[in-house]
Amino acid sequence: SQTIHQWPATLVQPVGSPLSLECTVEGTSNPNLYWYRQAAGRGLQLLFYSVGIGQISSEVPQNLSASRPQDRQFILSSKKLLLSDSGFYLCAWSVPSGRVYNEQFFGPGTRLTVL
Amino acid sequence: GESVGLHLPTLSVQEGDNSIINCAYSNSASDYFIWYKQESGKGPQFIIDIRSNMDKRQGQRVTVLLNKTVKHLSLQIAATQPGDSAVYFCAENGNDYKLSFGAGTTVTVRA
Repeated sequence: SQTIHQWPATLVQPVGSPLSLECTVEGTSNPNLYWYRQAAGRGLQLLFYSVGIGQISSEVPQNLSASRPQDRQFILSSKKLLLSDSGFYLCAWSVPSGRVYNEQFFGPGTRLTVL
Repeated sequence: GESVGLHLPTLSVQEGDNSIINCAYSNSASDYFIWYKQESGKGPQFIIDIRSNMDKRQGQRVTVLLNKTVKHLSLQIAATQPGDSAVYFCAENGNDYKLSFGAGTTVTVRA
C-alpha cells in the first residue's frame, strides 16, 4: 500500500531563517506531487506541483521554492522566512493519469509558525 | 477566475440526524469531484468521489449528489456521529493535474 510522510510535524522558526520541509511517498512510482498551504480556518492553496524529477510548476508567486531531487521526494524550501509564511503545509500525491479522476492523497502536514 | 465554493461555513447537527453539506462550482468543464474530510491538525482524507457522467454515488453512510444543471454538489452523511465532526471540503478537477478546493464547511455534531 502507498504511504506519504512529512516532516517535521511542527516547526517554529524566526523571521529571516531558512526552511526545508520534506515529503516522501512509498509504494508507488512516478507520482504527481503537490505542496499546499492552509491558513487557519481556510481552504487549501496549491503552491507547487510536480509531474516528474526536476519538473516543478509554481502556482503563485511567493517566498518559497520546491524541488524534486528523487522520484518520490518533494522538498519545500525558503531562503528567508516571512511572518506570512506561517501555516499548515500539506504534501499530496496522485497517480499520474494525465487527465481527470485525479484523486489526491494527503500527508499528515507540517505546522509552521514564523515568529 | 472560476473556483469552487461552499454555501455555508458551519453546520451544527444533532447526533443521529442526517447532515447535508453543499458546494457550488462554476467551472462547467470540471468532470470529477471529490469530498474530503479534515480533522483538526491532520491532512484531508478522501471520503467519496463522483464523475460528471453520474448524478449520485453512495458509500458507507455517505452519498454524493451532483447536479450539473445548476453546478451544485452535495454530501449527505447518514446518522451523523461525533466522529464526523470535522471540516469538509469539496474539490473539482477541471484542469489536468490540479484540484480546486472550496473554503470548507465545519461540521459540529451535538451529543
